[in-house]
This record gives sequence, C-alpha cells and structure tokens, in this order.
Amino acid sequence: GENVEQHPSTLSVQEGDSAVIKCTYSDSASNYFPWYKQELGKRPQLIIDIRSNVGEKKDQRIAVTLNKTAKHFSLHITETQPEDSAVYFCAASRGVGGSYIPTFGRGTSLIVHP
Amino acid sequence: EPEVTQTPSHQVTQMGQEVILRCVPISNHLYFYWYRQILGQKVEFLVSFYNNEISEKSEIFDDQFSVERPDGSNFTLKIRSTKLEDSAMYFCASSELASRSVEQFFGPGTRLTVL
Repeated sequence: GENVEQHPSTLSVQEGDSAVIKCTYSDSASNYFPWYKQELGKRPQLIIDIRSNVGEKKDQRIAVTLNKTAKHFSLHITETQPEDSAVYFCAASRGVGGSYIPTFGRGTSLIVHP
Repeated sequence: EPEVTQTPSHQVTQMGQEVILRCVPISNHLYFYWYRQILGQKVEFLVSFYNNEISEKSEIFDDQFSVERPDGSNFTLKIRSTKLEDSAMYFCASSELASRSVEQFFGPGTRLTVL
C-alpha cells in the first residue's frame, strides 16, 4: 500500500517568514495530492491540491510543487501570519472508481510567532 | 455554504458496547467516507461508500465496523463491540463525482471515548 512520509513534524517560524513542508510517497499510481489544514479541535480543510500532470500550483501565499520522478511534493507558504498556525497534512491519493482514497502523512505542526 | 454535519460531537461508551456515529453529507454529494484520527496522530481512511455499497475499505475496517445509508440524508458508522483502542475522533466526509470535483469535505468529527 501507499506510504507517505512528512517532514518536519514541527515547524516554528517568525511572522513574515516562509514555511516549507515536504512529503514523499511510495506508490507511483498515486495521482492526486491534496493538502489539508487542521486547526486545533477543528475539521481538516483542503487548502490546495495538485494532480500528477502538473508540476506546480499556486494560490495567493500558498504553493505546491510535485516531482513525480522523485515521488515528492512540497507545500510552500510565504509571508506567514499567526493565523497560519495549525497542523498541515499532506496526502497521496489514487483514483478508485469515481473518487480518490487518500493516504495521509503524519502532519506538521506549524507555529507562526507574531 | 453547505457543510457536512455529524452527531454527536462527543460519545462516551463502555468497552464492549455498540455505538452508532451519524453523519449528514452535503446533499448533492455521491461519495461518502469515514476516517479516524487517534489523538495527536494522522488521519486514517476507514471506508468509502457509493451507490449504497462499500467501494473501498482499509485494514482497520474489520468485521466490527459497518456503514449504512438508512435514508436519503444520513450516513452512519456502527462499531459493534467497542474496544479501548477505538477511542479516536471519527470524521465523515463527502464528495461529488470526480468528473466535477475530487475535493472531500469533512464534517466536524465525533470524539469517541471508550472506557
């Protein structure tokens, strides 16, 4: 089955700095890679995703890059703000029927200090 | 904006008891999922459901677990005989047809505590 490794487990930055979270996956059949943000006690929420036919995607301060050959993908947050503080999960998904089944990484706790 | 809802928010039960966790997916969604998250750990896939049957399940989803869509709106997860290690947050999620959007929308979760 799929195995997703995520690093670092904790990331502490100053407000305004950039933050980078990296994930690797093992199953070359995975073709959809969502990133979720989970605030304390809340539900996971999708913040950005990328499909395997794209190398990079950007949405305002958030960007994701994918290297299919090396089987790794990364989340980049620029100009971090205290409200970016949360746990971020990457996932590698494969299509099953009409949906995708994700395997999640262990999460990165991002702390943005004002 | 429509949201997935779950009840109860917190369920406390004795080991060996049956529990039913309830979810109301977003109304026009066709795929339904259950995940669990043990405290401080990653989210783990349990099962997906489409067209009134299970389409995929993980190794965690053994004979103690079952899912049902008893009516046009609810989607339930039943644990027949709870164990201490079933204590976790259980999230329901739903999504549209992949041809429209693959995004899964999560509910707020039910925290299950098995004593």
